[in-house]
Amino acid sequence: EVQLEESGGGLVQPGGSLGLSCEASGFSFSSYEMSWVRLAAGKGLEWVSYITGGGSVKDYGDSVKGRFTISRDNTKKTLYLQMNSLRAEDTAIYYCARANGWGNFDFWGQGALVTVSS
Amino acid sequence: DIQMTQSPSSVSASVGDRVTITCRASQDITMWLAWYQQKPGTAPKLLIFAASTLQSGVPSRFSGNGSGTNFTLTISSLQPEDFATYYCQQSKSFPYTFGQGTKLEIK
Repeated sequence: EVQLEESGGGLVQPGGSLGLSCEASGFSFSSYEMSWVRLAAGKGLEWVSYITGGGSVKDYGDSVKGRFTISRDNTKKTLYLQMNSLRAEDTAIYYCARANGWGNFDFWGQGALVTVSS
Repeated sequence: DIQMTQSPSSVSASVGDRVTITCRASQDITMWLAWYQQKPGTAPKLLIFAASTLQSGVPSRFSGNGSGTNFTLTISSLQPEDFATYYCQQSKSFPYTFGQGTKLEIK
């Protein structure tokens, strides 16, 4: 059974940093592209970041480019998102998601809440 | 960036109704279009990918159509569990983008 489990969410002050992890199981992790997608209260889904199976290619949404860094450790079957210079508008539930061959997300974690507030 | 525009933003319908949601892309995305369902407090669920391919395990009352810039998601006969928010997503090019969502409510 495919499972994705996020951890690392919490409360952080504006300008601060936070790291999220997503532990995968039930599939060949290194064979799949992965992404982070977020959902802010009262808003719609927003794609945040992408990484290829080997980790060599990464991309980011415009709102987080230069502040967030995606990475992965295939030996640990874990996806990461390092978030720096956090802003109030980064407050959201962050989901890790597995991508199918069409760049769509067929499995999702349960989400990790990140709150940026003083 | 490719902008995705859904309509309507919300719709009220009854069990048994046929409902169609539309998604329009700001440029040609051929068939790089997916549909998701999200219920409060849960992760999104992939319903349709490649514009019209039903994801494994999704009921056949859901169907997708379209190509280029205009796409539709149709639910042929609404069931109580279908009341949720629906999103389209393009994966033709980065940054991937979602529509703003369509909330399907019980009439």
